[in-house]
Amino acid sequence: SAVISQKPSRDICQRGTSLTIQCQVDSQVTMMFWYRQQPGQSLTLIATANQGSEATYESGFVIDKFPISRPNLTFSTLTVSNMSPEDSSIYLCSVEMGPFGEQFFGPGTRLTVL
Amino acid sequence: AQTVTQSQPEMSVQEAETVTLSCTYDTSESDYYLFWYKQPPSRQMILVIRQEAYKQQNATENRFSVNFQKAAKSFSLKISDSQLGDAAMYFCAYRSFLINAGNMLTFGGGTRLMVKP
Repeated sequence: SAVISQKPSRDICQRGTSLTIQCQVDSQVTMMFWYRQQPGQSLTLIATANQGSEATYESGFVIDKFPISRPNLTFSTLTVSNMSPEDSSIYLCSVEMGPFGEQFFGPGTRLTVL
Repeated sequence: AQTVTQSQPEMSVQEAETVTLSCTYDTSESDYYLFWYKQPPSRQMILVIRQEAYKQQNATENRFSVNFQKAAKSFSLKISDSQLGDAAMYFCAYRSFLINAGNMLTFGGGTRLMVKP
């Protein structure tokens, strides 16, 4: 498994502003993922971030709204841009490790947009 | 596209008893992985158990075991000797074996498990 940290753990933001969430892993990993979990809901994949290439976004998510950086094999950021109350969610990063496709998750960032 | 369904939004179990959480999935693939994740109120997602579809034997991890029925596309989780710390949201997840599927996990809607003392 891996030790994964996220910053910030929570934040309250005003609409129209942007927030950058950081994800740090204690070992080098090829694939990192960003998920959104709206209140009381399941996880929805936003994008897959591989080091050295552009992030791959899922349907309904666009780079202008959720730009992602992956500068090295242990770190990634997700920015939530021009926020609205509908962006209030928990944002989780995960990494894939092991031969069977297991993903290990960070503790999440709870975002509230007023 | 694959879909994962958890038909029980909430379940409750008495401490020390056994409970089974249901999960069904839809896929046309023959090889894939299935997972159960636990999300306590602290929100950290924890991997509970994994099953490879090409294995007939059901996976077991201590008090957690699965009943994998490939033909029925069913993947239930049994928790034996339930403990108060088992109270959490449980998510079933599917991962394709195909390289071009993007390694993504498809999650079910979740089941909230309550454990009564």
